[in-house]
Order: sequence, then structure tokens, then C-alpha cells
Amino acid sequence: ETGVTQTPRHLVMGMTNKKSLKCEQHLGHNAMYWYKQSAKKPLELMFVYSLEERVENNSVPSRFSPECPNSSHLFLHLHTLQPEDSALYLCASSQGQGSSEQYFGPGTRLTVT
Amino acid sequence: KQEVTQIPAALSVPEGENLVLNCSFTDSAIYNLQWFRQDPGKGLTSLLLIQSSQREQTSGRLNASLDKSSGRSTLYIAASQPGDSATYLCAAKSFSGGTSYGKLTFGQGTILTVHP
Repeated sequence: ETGVTQTPRHLVMGMTNKKSLKCEQHLGHNAMYWYKQSAKKPLELMFVYSLEERVENNSVPSRFSPECPNSSHLFLHLHTLQPEDSALYLCASSQGQGSSEQYFGPGTRLTVT
Repeated sequence: KQEVTQIPAALSVPEGENLVLNCSFTDSAIYNLQWFRQDPGKGLTSLLLIQSSQREQTSGRLNASLDKSSGRSTLYIAASQPGDSATYLCAAKSFSGGTSYGKLTFGQGTILTVHP
């Protein structure tokens, strides 16, 4: 247990569905991250929230919409996804300073049909 | 732009062998370098974190070294066991614009198989 939880762990959705991924951290951190891990590709940073403000959006398509209502919770809202969006989505948190360690959740395995 | 490369892509060894995984990065202006383990279909477990001012870190049978000037890090696993079988990822945390959070750039990983 890293102190970062993600739900659901597995999700299958059609291209016309709307769903949300949830991440919660119990570590008192002030920065949270979404990463995407596709087959055969390195982990890619998608979004960063620091003190509940988005500080980075890594050219992610608008069909992915993040939300950070408070420093402990992070959501990724999904709509009209494509099959190539099927991947493992990982959430992480840190204390926000450059030298601090990032702690990762177990991920949500997303399949878009 | 930071790029991280891991060699080899896959490694298969008999139980008990000592082994070395390699990681190289292109931009030496890093906060730290972190090694992770990932089991199939699972999240990342942090193994070792080396700050930019440090040369190595040790945890049990694991030892990680960092040479910033040459842009290299190695993960040494002593007396490997079948339970060590997993994908090992290294990630360099770089300065990012004017923000303080830093940015992790991952390598593609080394798939390690330790057979009995």
C-alpha cells in the first residue's frame, strides 16, 4: 500500500460513454498527477495539479478532462474515447517540491471498445 | 527535452545470479532519479530514490548508483530470486519551467525474469 488509491481498477467502456476515474491520496501531499501507460510505450505524464491548480497539461486531447476538487482527490473524466485510449492510467502524488518522491496508485486498466 | 533509455529491454537469468540494469538520461539537470518495480497489470512500487547530490542508495539486495556527469544510473540486484521477476523502470525528475513540482521522465523499462 502506497497511500494512493484508485477506483475502479478495471473499466470497459464504449466510445460513446462517459465515465470518470478517481484517485485519492492519504499522504497529505499537495501535488497530484495523471499518467498514461500504453503497451510498448514509456509512461507519459498527462496532467499535474499543484495546490489544486492545474500546472501542466501535456497536450492531452480534450476528451480527457481532469478535476482536482481538493488536495486529496483527483478525477479524470472521460468522454467519447477512442480504442487507442485503452491503457493503464496511473495516479501519483508528491509533496510538490522538486526533490520529493512520487507515490503511485495501482492504476485503472481502461479498455475502450 | 529529457530522454531516458534503459538497457537491456529484457533480461533472463538463473536464480542466485547478480545482475545490473542500466539507465541513461540526456539532461543532467535533474532533481533526482528514481527506480521503480512494476508487476504485470499493476502500479509502480518505488524501490530507490537518489537525489542529485548523492552517488548511491542501498536497500537490502538492491543498490542504485548515479553518475550525473555521464547521465547514467545503474540498479544492481544481488542474489536474484524468482520473486524479483518484474519490469524495472527508471525515471529522471527534471526541472520544469518555473514550477517547483519537477517532471518525471520514464524509460521503457527492463523486463526481468529470474528462473529457478
